[in-house]
Amino acid sequence: SQKIEQNSEALNIQEGKTATLTCNYTNYSPAYLQWYRQDPGRGPVFLLLIRENEKEKRKERLKVTFDTTLKQSLFHITASQPADSATYLCALYNFNKFYFGSGTKLNVKP
Amino acid sequence: EPEVTQTPSHQVTQMGQEVILRCVPISNHLYFYWYRQILGQKVEFLVSFYNNEISEKSEIFDDQFSVERPDGSNFTLKIRSTKLEDSAMYFCASKLENTGELFFGEGSRLTVL
Repeated sequence: SQKIEQNSEALNIQEGKTATLTCNYTNYSPAYLQWYRQDPGRGPVFLLLIRENEKEKRKERLKVTFDTTLKQSLFHITASQPADSATYLCALYNFNKFYFGSGTKLNVKP
Repeated sequence: EPEVTQTPSHQVTQMGQEVILRCVPISNHLYFYWYRQILGQKVEFLVSFYNNEISEKSEIFDDQFSVERPDGSNFTLKIRSTKLEDSAMYFCASKLENTGELFFGEGSRLTVL
């Protein structure tokens, strides 16, 4: 089955800097890949979707890249704010199933 | 803004008991999912449901589990003979299109004693 790797160590950055989170996967490339935000005790909230034929997607301060050769997606938050502190999950979609990574916790310090 | 609602928010049960977790997906959505998240671990796929039948299920979703959409609005997950290791947050999710974002509910926390 699909294996998804996200950095399990928390990412600590200073407010205003750019946060970059990584999602690597093994096996087959997904039809598309999504990024979600999860706050403690809450359900994941959709942020961005990128398809296998797209290289980059942007939404406000968020940017996602997708490299099917490297089997990797990068998620960037520019001009980060303390309110961006959360766990960020990447999810791969294939065959009517979403596989989630374990998430990376982002801490943005004021 | 439409949302997925789940009840109960928290259920405590004794080992061996049956529980039913309920979900009301967004009304015009067509695809429905149950996921679970054991504390501190990743979100795990349990089952997907489309056109009134299961379309995919994981190895976790064994005979202990079942899903139903009894009345066209509710989407339920039944767990028979609960075990300690069933303690987790259970999330319901729905989406409109085959290729689309998942909308998650706030989850039902199940504690098995």
